[in-house]
Amino acid sequence: DQQVKQNSPSLSVQEGRISILNCDYTNSMFDYFLWYKKYPAEGPTFLISISSIKDKNEDGRFTVFLNKSAKHLSLHIVPSQPGDSAVYFCAASVGEYGNKLVFGAGTILRVKS
Amino acid sequence: DTEVTQTPKHLVMGMTNKKSLKCEQHMGHRAMYWYKQKAKKPPELMFVYSYEKLSINESVPSRFSPECPNSSLLNLHLHALQPEDSALYLCASSQGTSSVETQYFGPGTRLLVL
Repeated sequence: DQQVKQNSPSLSVQEGRISILNCDYTNSMFDYFLWYKKYPAEGPTFLISISSIKDKNEDGRFTVFLNKSAKHLSLHIVPSQPGDSAVYFCAASVGEYGNKLVFGAGTILRVKS
Repeated sequence: DTEVTQTPKHLVMGMTNKKSLKCEQHMGHRAMYWYKQKAKKPPELMFVYSYEKLSINESVPSRFSPECPNSSLLNLHLHALQPEDSALYLCASSQGTSSVETQYFGPGTRLLVL
């Protein structure tokens, strides 16, 4: 049962443009959502998070939007830079299970210069 | 500082070997985690330690044995592994144990079982 889904395996964007990465979830009990960035052979790096009581969180070039009614969140990167090229994982946790994170399958972002 | 360190970076072992992976954090975090990541797959939770006690075991085979000697250290003891256990093993930590805590990951140990 895949509770967190990232349906786009890859995304290619021109440098300077906006990158939009999407994530859908099925468990309405999830109360915290995170985005991680991962380079090959490295651990995931935390990017940004959002609590289920909010609909937007912004940190520099990164903004996460949460639509609870649609069970959908998205990560916007503006402007995109070549160094942003990596795999992006969406993750979610639910209070019932404490700090257990459930990850999506990941989206490969390629930013072309 | 959100650094989690892991050693070794790479490990090759035979199916009869015994080895250990080590994870360390000095952020005062009270929860630590082991994840396994196969190629082109997301990380999958293996174990969670909260306040140095095992709180979650995701039905991991007994050939993987976690240990938390103190609040800064987390070990994963490996014995009689199978080739399909080859993967990237990730350690993470978080300040507390609630669901709204951010987990910070180490660089991982790349394990190859021959």
